[in-house]
Amino acid sequence: EPEVTQTPSHQVTQMGQEVILRCVPISNHLYFYWYRQILGQKVEFLVSFYNNEISEKSEIFDDQFSVERPDGSNFTLKIRSTKLEDSAMYFCASTGQGDDTEAFFGQGTRLTVV
Amino acid sequence: QKEVEQNSGPLSVPEGAIASLNCTYSDRGSQSFFWYRQYSGKSPELIMFIYSNGDKEDGRFTAQLNKASQYVSLLIRDSQPSDSATYLCAVWGNTGRRALTFGSGTRLQVQP
Repeated sequence: EPEVTQTPSHQVTQMGQEVILRCVPISNHLYFYWYRQILGQKVEFLVSFYNNEISEKSEIFDDQFSVERPDGSNFTLKIRSTKLEDSAMYFCASTGQGDDTEAFFGQGTRLTVV
Repeated sequence: QKEVEQNSGPLSVPEGAIASLNCTYSDRGSQSFFWYRQYSGKSPELIMFIYSNGDKEDGRFTAQLNKASQYVSLLIRDSQPSDSATYLCAVWGNTGRRALTFGSGTRLQVQP
């Protein structure tokens, strides 16, 4: 069964450092997303990506964040200068074409900023 | 007003009973509705989705949607201890966004 894969599963970084979280969406999906979940809180939308550009972003997705699809398979989230409050689970998801709204999530990357 | 509301629980039911999970949403323009199951430290796993008013059944799970009342529910029949998890209600199209808006989840405990 097709799945969304994320690497690494756990990333520890020092405050102020840059991190890149990687995702391989389901191969025939066209829309890609990043969500995050701070421990004990709800899953929050960060950004959506379609046709090689950002489609929508939330107020959380400020200038410290960027996304990229560097090749035909990877989808990355970069945090330029991490803060303690960026510590969270980051989930990548993808959906298919048009009206297909079933989002499948990767297993997540746990980011710990120290 | 919260966009997607769920009772945080825990909802405790005995093994074999029916668990009923509820969710309300604020935006009448929301298009589709999803239930995800999340085990601690894991990613959301899609259980069911529903687009139209009424009931939709899949095995032990039944999703119910009432757009007039802006209400979605999930029934789990013959609950098993392995069903113990947090159940997330998610709404697609809230405020026109082509993405999911999640509730905070209801923790379900199925007692053996």
